[in-house]
Amino acid sequence: GESVGLHLPTLSVQEGDNSIINCAYSNSASDYFIWYKQESGKGPQFIIDIRSNMDKRQGQRVTVLLNKTVKHLSLQIAATQPGDSAVYFCAENNPGSARQLTFGSGTQLTVLP
Amino acid sequence: DTEVTQTPKHLVMGMTNKKSLKCEQHMGHRAMYWYKQKAKKPPELMFVYSYEKLSINESVPSRFSPECPNSSLLNLHLHALQPEDSALYLCASSLVDQGTVNTEAFFGQGTRLTVV
Repeated sequence: GESVGLHLPTLSVQEGDNSIINCAYSNSASDYFIWYKQESGKGPQFIIDIRSNMDKRQGQRVTVLLNKTVKHLSLQIAATQPGDSAVYFCAENNPGSARQLTFGSGTQLTVLP
Repeated sequence: DTEVTQTPKHLVMGMTNKKSLKCEQHMGHRAMYWYKQKAKKPPELMFVYSYEKLSINESVPSRFSPECPNSSLLNLHLHALQPEDSALYLCASSLVDQGTVNTEAFFGQGTRLTVV
């Protein structure tokens, strides 16, 4: 079946470095994507979204890139901080499907001092 | 107010118990969701309510019974659960049903449920 997946289950970066978290999706009909951050013991927190008519969207210290040709999504975090340590999920929405948001498997980001 | 509030935060129940999880939002959202999340896994959709009507049931066992008393409240009634139902139960809301319009969903902090 079609699914959203991530390339790496864990990622460790030095504090102050930039982080890149990748996500592959296989449903070509999906036209909306969201990145969520989930800290231990908490619910997912919305970070940034992007629609399929865009290639790039920037927020505060975060950038999402969408490559529809290869069905790839990435989240870039600039100047990674200890508070960025969390599990990051990408999620896709295919409005033509009753499935609503489909989450990827998640990447654990650990920021090293 | 951009919060989705869930109560209780933690719940331990026996397999013969009946309990309810509660969710509340005051953002004027008309779609509300229940998700189940096991450790180290992504959230899995259970139910979707759109304008207080159940629109999606992802083949969830009948021991889970959702209820939407009004546009701000969502309940999940639990009865005769199994130990494998232990998980984090997340409530979320969005402006409208995501099957209609692309819009972000806001999540609560979840209820950590343990079935003994």
